[in-house]
Amino acid sequence: AQSVAQPEDQVNVAEGNPLTVKCTYSVSGNPYLFWYVQYPNRGLQFLLKYITGDNLVKGSYGFEAEFNKSQTSFHLKKPSALVSDSALYFCAVRDRRGSTLGRLYFGRGTQLTVWP
Amino acid sequence: DAGVTQSPTHLIKTRGQQVTLRCSPKSGHDTVSWYQQALGQGPQFIFQYYEEEERQRGNFPDRFSGHQFPNYSSELNVNALLLGDSALYLCASSSTQAGITDTQYFGPGTRLTVL
Repeated sequence: AQSVAQPEDQVNVAEGNPLTVKCTYSVSGNPYLFWYVQYPNRGLQFLLKYITGDNLVKGSYGFEAEFNKSQTSFHLKKPSALVSDSALYFCAVRDRRGSTLGRLYFGRGTQLTVWP
Repeated sequence: DAGVTQSPTHLIKTRGQQVTLRCSPKSGHDTVSWYQQALGQGPQFIFQYYEEEERQRGNFPDRFSGHQFPNYSSELNVNALLLGDSALYLCASSSTQAGITDTQYFGPGTRLTVL
């Protein structure tokens, strides 16, 4: 069965410092991996995805994520955090096998707070 | 280019009532997925529609049903509402043209409160 774990409910970081939001997954075979961000009272906004190729994926707003197959992880990173990055971040996985209409499996989310 | 839109924004119902939520996909998208996000949880997959048919379904009871129209818009219906149905309901659209690698883009959601 597919599952996603985000081991930290909250991450706090000072503005200008690097940030990491952790994600590990369990899926049969090789997955497609996604990061979304949710601001208060808003829907989910797509940040980036890993399909194949380079293990370091670059996305929107300066975010990047590193796919590590041996550790089954897909951690979200940013070299220099901004106060405006404060939001709820979700990691999601889609099974590579099966139909083209794949469902997403989400983690519980990590609340990122960036202090000025 | 309009993104995914959902209506209404908020809805308050009482137990036992029925509700219909609506979603218009992003331009060029033909597939609509619905997710339920309970407070403090990640979104949970309800079902997915393509070519006006339900193609995949998550672990939700038959009280949850849907429909997709020829213009690709979709409705989510929930019958016999329970207090536990209170949640943010998210619609996501994607394109089969891009295949399984396509990204699902989400709407702003409908906040349903069941009293």
